Amino acid sequence: AQSVAQPEDQVNVAEGNPLTVKCTYSVSGNPYLFWYVQYPNRGLQFLLKYITGDNLVKGSYGFEAEFNKSQTSFHLKKPSALVSDSALYFCAVGGGYQKVTFGTGTKLQVIP
Amino acid sequence: DTGVSQDPRHKITKRGQNVTFRCDPISEHNRLYWYRQTLGQGPEFLTYFQNEAQLEKSRLLSDRFSAERPKGSFSTLEIQRTEQGDSAMYLCASSTLLTSKDNEQFFGPGTRLTVL
Repeated sequence: AQSVAQPEDQVNVAEGNPLTVKCTYSVSGNPYLFWYVQYPNRGLQFLLKYITGDNLVKGSYGFEAEFNKSQTSFHLKKPSALVSDSALYFCAVGGGYQKVTFGTGTKLQVIP
Repeated sequence: DTGVSQDPRHKITKRGQNVTFRCDPISEHNRLYWYRQTLGQGPEFLTYFQNEAQLEKSRLLSDRFSAERPKGSFSTLEIQRTEQGDSAMYLCASSTLLTSKDNEQFFGPGTRLTVL
């Protein structure tokens, strides 16, 4: 069975500082990994994905994620946080022609 | 707008009533998924279709839940005899392996169900 873990319920970061939202995964075979963002009363928005290739994946809104196979991690990063980045972030594994298994989410709070 | 759409966006019902939600996927997508998200949790997989065939159902999908995709386009999710525990956001997603966006599921805005 595939699973993801997001160890932090909430991450607080000052505006302009770099941010990291952590995710570890468990899956048999090659992982398909995703990050989604959810704003209040909105659906899930795709940020980025890792399927194969470069371990550093660049996505929407200046976000990037680093795939680390040895640590089974896929942490979300951004060099400079914006107040508008405040939202709920979900790491997920699967996708395409497989069901997606989501983590429990991490609330990102960017403090002005 | 060519994204995934869901209707209604909000539904309030009394316990014991039946409700039906609709999802319209992106037109060229042949896979359609239903997820449920409760407050403070990540979305949980319920079921998916390839074209009109329902290929997998989660054990979360009790006998009171039924999903259809009769013509391989839009899908409906019906909940019979609703219970307060059914209150959640129901999300629909679609995907295809035929474009450069393969392996990505596109999500609709969701239908928020409140059972009183």
